[in-house]
Amino acid sequence: GAVVSQHPSRVICKSGTSVKIECRSLDFQATTMFWYRQFPKKSLMLMATSNEGSKATYEQGVEKDKFLINHASLTLSTLTVTSAHPEDSSFYICSAIGQDPETRYEQYFGPGTRLTVT
Amino acid sequence: GNSVTQMEGPVTLSEEAFLTINCTYTATGYPSLFWYVQYPGEGLQLLLKATKADDKGSNKGFEATYRKETTSFHLEKGSVQVSDSAVYFCALNPYNNNDMRFGAGTRLTVKP
Repeated sequence: GAVVSQHPSRVICKSGTSVKIECRSLDFQATTMFWYRQFPKKSLMLMATSNEGSKATYEQGVEKDKFLINHASLTLSTLTVTSAHPEDSSFYICSAIGQDPETRYEQYFGPGTRLTVT
Repeated sequence: GNSVTQMEGPVTLSEEAFLTINCTYTATGYPSLFWYVQYPGEGLQLLLKATKADDKGSNKGFEATYRKETTSFHLEKGSVQVSDSAVYFCALNPYNNNDMRFGAGTRLTVKP
């Protein structure tokens, strides 16, 4: 149980376009979802925390107008990279926390999405 | 504040060698501690965890003991395999507060 999926797993887009990444909790309801960014050979950097039905909380230095996060339901959060540029190329990972005792105290991670902006 | 420090890599071992990756933490309260593994091109997979002092997490031959007195959660495996080559992350989750903190990651390469 407690599976999180991401779609797409890989995406290549042209500079200036926008790309949407989906994060889904498949077998539990996620009250909170997190978006991380990972640079090559580096650790995870938390970008934002989203709670279902409310605005995301962004970490310092993360542009909220560039990285749009929507958490419209208890099983889906989306990250949209707007007007992407090559420096946005990275590995984006989401995680989720559930609302029941079995899934409340641990973050469950998705497999990640590799974004390449050309 | 809450933070995790893990030994810098890369670590290169021969098959069947003993592995230790050190991890120490700073936290207020009683955090849960985790080890995650990331294989090339993939996301993070939970390897093991411990939620209170003296707990030992274990999985796939790996183990780590939550040591409150030394604020440590070192990862060990008695005999590594080539398939264990990956990046290992130590992480901390403060009790009932999902402000998870990750260590920098340690890249392990196991040679046949």
